[in-house]
Amino acid sequence: AQKVTQAQTEISVVEKEDVTLDCVYETRDTTYYLFWYKQPPSGELVFLIRRNSFDEQNEISGRYSWNFQKSTSSFNFTITASQVVDSAVYFCALSGYTGANSKLTFGKGITLSVRP
Amino acid sequence: DAGITQSPRYKITETGRQVTLMCHQTWSHSYMFWYRQDLGHGLRLIYYSAAADITDKGEVPDGYVVSRSKTENFPLTLESATRSQTSVYFCASQLGTEAFFGQGTRLTVV
Repeated sequence: AQKVTQAQTEISVVEKEDVTLDCVYETRDTTYYLFWYKQPPSGELVFLIRRNSFDEQNEISGRYSWNFQKSTSSFNFTITASQVVDSAVYFCALSGYTGANSKLTFGKGITLSVRP
Repeated sequence: DAGITQSPRYKITETGRQVTLMCHQTWSHSYMFWYRQDLGHGLRLIYYSAAADITDKGEVPDGYVVSRSKTENFPLTLESATRSQTSVYFCASQLGTEAFFGQGTRLTVV
């Protein structure tokens, strides 16, 4: 069975601080995908990143960066110089590679509040 | 408009009533999914469908029924709504491992 653990439930920071959201996963699959989604107060789910299990390179996109470490089964997400617009719930998710295994298993989410 | 549409966006219903949440995609993605979102639980899979007339249970299927007579539609029915089914429901279609989510339906059972 697949499992995603987001141990942090709520994080509050002041604008311009850096913040890291942790994600630990469990899977027996040798090939899998990891995801991060953002859910702003408006409620929709916004896709942020997808990373396959073969690619352990860190990725940076503007103020966002992701650190994938297979050795510790972690896929952490860092926001640099946070802004009020980053306030949202962030979900980490895991899926298998194909077919029915491609269904998403989500963590419980982390509520990030960025104060001005 | 291309995409995935859920209706209604908001629904209040009474305990014991039957209610159907609709999901429509304008693509022809084979896989479609229903998730429910609850505080403290994240999103959990209710049912999914691999193609028309092929459906399977997810993590929390009890109390729900799905059908998929056409590829583009995947309705979710609560046969006899209970207060524990108060939740936000998300439908998704999927191409490979890329999921496309609807806007969500906020259902309140009173």
